[in-house]
Amino acid sequence: DAGVIQSPRHEVTEMGQEVTLRCKPISGHNSLFWYRQTMMRGLELLIYFNNNVPIDDSGMPEDRFSAKMPNASFSTLKIQPSEPRDSAVYFCASRGGQSTDTQYFGPGTRLTVL
Amino acid sequence: GENVEQHPSTLSVQEGDSAVIKCTYSDSASNYFPWYKQELGKRPQLIIDIRSNVGEKKDQRIAVTLNKTAKHFSLHITETQPEDSAVYFCAASFTNAGKSTFGDGTTLTVKP
Repeated sequence: DAGVIQSPRHEVTEMGQEVTLRCKPISGHNSLFWYRQTMMRGLELLIYFNNNVPIDDSGMPEDRFSAKMPNASFSTLKIQPSEPRDSAVYFCASRGGQSTDTQYFGPGTRLTVL
Repeated sequence: GENVEQHPSTLSVQEGDSAVIKCTYSDSASNYFPWYKQELGKRPQLIIDIRSNVGEKKDQRIAVTLNKTAKHFSLHITETQPEDSAVYFCAASFTNAGKSTFGDGTTLTVKP
């Protein structure tokens, strides 16, 4: 089992640029979560999907953030335009299969916006 | 919605001592309570979980207790070792219903 896969692992970009983060959940999992982690705000849930459908996006900070899940094996989180305050570690997690309650986290993407 | 409070925010113990981290939750419907350990620069990983139909669960040096009436649950680590140093998160959710609500984390430091 490869676990949750995220790419890129590190991203450095300049303010105003578009950033796309990618996630492949564990095969057979039907829920996917995007989190942002910073020292100041801790671990924040941005959005989650059940069966590819967005269920709760109340954590998405503003319209600059958008997330999609076109199929069960792929999701993207896009920031356009990016700002320095978006610098954080972004985690994707998935849940489902035989462990219907446990969330399994990916390795994260460390985003730095200059 | 659910609200989870976690205490203390930082905890420093001597190697070999015990460590206890406590969480309270607000939604009586919550019935699943996982604990995650996050080492520096790594992802959060599940270390133990408990469901509301049991009061205690143990796995080697780690145990979790749950008091449904008081709506709080605790993580107990015995015989702490330096490799236990990490940030620990508690969470609460209703089975397969949606999102988990995480506590703010406890930074545990075990001094050799």
